[in-house]
Amino acid sequence: KAGVTQTPRYLIKTRGQQVTLSCSPISGHRSVSWYQQTPGQGLQFLFEYFSETQRNKGNFPGRFSGRQFSNSRSEMNVSTLELGDSALYLCASSLERGGETQYFGPGTRLLVL
Amino acid sequence: GDSVTQMEGPVTLSEEAFLTINCTYTATGYPSLFWYVQYPGEGLQLLLKATKADDKGSNKGFEATYRKETTSFHLEKGSVQVSDSAVYFCALSDTGNQFYFGTGTSLTVIP
Repeated sequence: KAGVTQTPRYLIKTRGQQVTLSCSPISGHRSVSWYQQTPGQGLQFLFEYFSETQRNKGNFPGRFSGRQFSNSRSEMNVSTLELGDSALYLCASSLERGGETQYFGPGTRLLVL
Repeated sequence: GDSVTQMEGPVTLSEEAFLTINCTYTATGYPSLFWYVQYPGEGLQLLLKATKADDKGSNKGFEATYRKETTSFHLEKGSVQVSDSAVYFCALSDTGNQFYFGTGTSLTVIP
């Protein structure tokens, strides 16, 4: 089976712009979670989608949003980018919810200038 | 709320040394516990997991035992190799599928 794929792998944006990141989960996986990873804050949970519905949300401002499509593919959007949004954004998928192993993609590295 | 605390790094060991990375957790229910590893420039990979008390997860020579009485899930390896150099994350998953990760421990193994 193909693993979790994320596109694009690298992105450079300027402050004030918006960005959309894409994640394709492992085939058959219905849960997709997003994380932000930075050297200072470590791995921080953004949100989780299951069956096209947001099920969990981390402590991030409303500029961060996401959605999931009927084929379980997910996108996350960040509007009005700030310098502090520079990070590695990781997507993870799992078969179901509730203690299931999460499988991570390679991440999208976002640099905001 | 649920949380994971793991040993601060960085850790530097010589090849063939014994490795322990400590991890303790706080959870209200009966979480599943995981160790993930991240190699430079890559995403996280599952290393091992345990889903109930006294379970031992193992993979590639690494082991960790789910200790409910001490709320711990310490990672061990008897003889590390240069290729084990990476960042290791302890994590728990509650019944709501919310994952909580530790801050990561960077391991460097020198020849």
